[in-house]
Amino acid sequence: GAVVSQHPSRVICKSGTSVKIECRSLDFQATTMFWYRQFPKQSLMLMATSNEGSKATYEQGVEKDKFLINHASLTLSTLTVTSAHPEDSSFYICSSQMEGVSGEQYFGPGTRLTVT
Amino acid sequence: AQSVTQLDSQVPVFEEAPVELRCNYSSSVSVYLFWYVQYPNQGLQLLLKYLSGSTLVKGINGFEAEFNKSQTSFHLRKPSVHISDTAEYFCAVSFTSGTYKYIFGTGTRLKVLA
Repeated sequence: GAVVSQHPSRVICKSGTSVKIECRSLDFQATTMFWYRQFPKQSLMLMATSNEGSKATYEQGVEKDKFLINHASLTLSTLTVTSAHPEDSSFYICSSQMEGVSGEQYFGPGTRLTVT
Repeated sequence: AQSVTQLDSQVPVFEEAPVELRCNYSSSVSVYLFWYVQYPNQGLQLLLKYLSGSTLVKGINGFEAEFNKSQTSFHLRKPSVHISDTAEYFCAVSFTSGTYKYIFGTGTRLKVLA
């Protein structure tokens, strides 16, 4: 149980285009979802926290107009990187918290974004 | 403010030897503690967690960790490592209420040598 999927696993896009990454909790309902960014050989950096039906809360220094987060249901959150540039190339990981269960986050497998 | 320190960025160890990966945290409130493993180009897999109760926590793949409140530590141990344990290991803490945001340590790369 507690499986989180991400789609796509890998995406290459051209500079200036937008790309959407989906995060789904497959077998549970997630009250809260998190989006992280990870640079090579570094730790995970929290970008934003999203709750179903409400606006995401962004961490300091994260551009909310560039990284659009939508949490449309208890099983789906999306991250859209708008007007992507090469510096947005990174590994993006989402995680979900199970409704009614505190403490633990369940992580997706990650999405490798390369902007050319 | 909370913080997590993983002092060792890399730990080389020979196969079948024991290993300890250190994690210290700083917090003025109660926390939950976690260890995750990450293999290349993959997400994070939970090794073990401390939420409450016994301070010695056993996880998957033969790993265990001990919560030491007085030393604010949560070191990860394995008595005998395998080549397949080569990976990046992350310690994380979260608040025990609110949004349960994680704060991650910087990670420790465990390299098991033949």
